[in-house]
Amino acid sequence: KNQVEQSPQSLIILEGKNCTLQCNYTVSPFSNLRWYKQDTGRGPVSLTIMTFSENTKSNGRYTATLDADTKQSSLHITASQLSDSASYICVVSATSWGKLQFGAGTQVVVTP
Amino acid sequence: SQTIHQWPATLVQPVGSPLSLECTVEGTSNPNLYWYRQAAGRGLQLLFYSVGIGQISSEVPQNLSASRPQDRQFILSSKKLLLSDSGFYLCAWSVLRGRSYEQYFGPGTRLTVT
Repeated sequence: KNQVEQSPQSLIILEGKNCTLQCNYTVSPFSNLRWYKQDTGRGPVSLTIMTFSENTKSNGRYTATLDADTKQSSLHITASQLSDSASYICVVSATSWGKLQFGAGTQVVVTP
Repeated sequence: SQTIHQWPATLVQPVGSPLSLECTVEGTSNPNLYWYRQAAGRGLQLLFYSVGIGQISSEVPQNLSASRPQDRQFILSSKKLLLSDSGFYLCAWSVLRGRSYEQYFGPGTRLTVT
């Protein structure tokens, strides 16, 4: 069973609207949680990284939240743009040195 | 600044042929290096990681092998490809940022085994 579950699997939103992606994890112990953006056919690019002591972090129009007690995270995209169309991957690390557990991703499509 | 290179970008190989994918990192020394595979609609799967020259750890049993002949060079190989080896292969490196290792991915290689 995957230790990082993401929902929804895919999402279609209108340009300019907001959306929220969810991530639940069972990875333990917990070191940090990351959100990556992956354009089709490209490598993932880091958006945010949070340790257990952080409960929110922003990167431009992207805001990630973390509840380490319930083992849940969300990624909120504000005022979506066409360039936001991509797969968003939640990644959890049980150690600090870099071995990661990946979610399957949420495919976001922003339409005009 | 640091840069990670992978080549080739795409590759079509017949079953049973050998494979060699190369990854190099610029602008850093003694990085942790990783090879991942991503199947369509699936999350990334860690195949190998390396914490130094000649040090390779394998995460899953498979038809592939990895080598690190130089500090910033990581090679993924196979002697005989299988159809199931098709996928998107990503190389990554990590560096300590604060209390966590930030991981950076290369552009990837799309491998199709026919």
